[in-house]
Amino acid sequence: AQSVTQPDIHITVSEGASLELRCNYSYGATPYLFWYVQSPGQGLQLLLKYFSGDTLVQGIKGFEAEFKRSQSSFNLRKPSVHWSDAAEYFCAVGAGNTDKLIFGTGTRLQVFP
Amino acid sequence: NAGVTQTPKFQVLKTGQSMTLQCAQDMNHEYMSWYRQDPGMGLRLIHYSVGAGITDQGEVPNGYNVSRSTTEDFPLRLLSAAPSQTSVYFCASSYGVSSYNSPLHFGNGTRLTVT
Repeated sequence: AQSVTQPDIHITVSEGASLELRCNYSYGATPYLFWYVQSPGQGLQLLLKYFSGDTLVQGIKGFEAEFKRSQSSFNLRKPSVHWSDAAEYFCAVGAGNTDKLIFGTGTRLQVFP
Repeated sequence: NAGVTQTPKFQVLKTGQSMTLQCAQDMNHEYMSWYRQDPGMGLRLIHYSVGAGITDQGEVPNGYNVSRSTTEDFPLRLLSAAPSQTSVYFCASSYGVSSYNSPLHFGNGTRLTVT
């Protein structure tokens, strides 16, 4: 069964600073990997996804993520954070032999002006 | 387009009461799922369905029932509510988890309190 770990519960950055949110997954074969963002009181919105091919994927709102098989990681990055990026971010893993999409526990991002 | 519609938005139940959380989508998605979101626990998959007449258990299915009689609707039933079921519930749909061009579309959630 697949699983995903987000080791950082809460991250605080200053506006304009760079950002990296960590995600580690567990799955025997090549997983499908996703990052979602949740603004307060809202449902989740897809930021980006990895299925195969280029290990550096670009998403919406200036986010990117890199799939590293050797480290079982799929970290989310943004070179310059905006105040509107304050939200909760979820990493999720899916698998080819199942229709379950499993989410991590989330990382809450706070942005200071 | 309405997308994924969840009703009600808020609900308070007493222990032992039953209720159904409604979820409907108008995107002709085959895949639908229910998650619960709790502080520090992220989203946990309760049940999911890959098409009408087909359902399966997720990570935390106990205490919940589902059925899928139509493509559009995927109700979640609590037969005897317990305080441990106090949570925010999200319904989501897509063409399929393994479908590259079809991310999960989420509803806006139902906040359930069981006293």
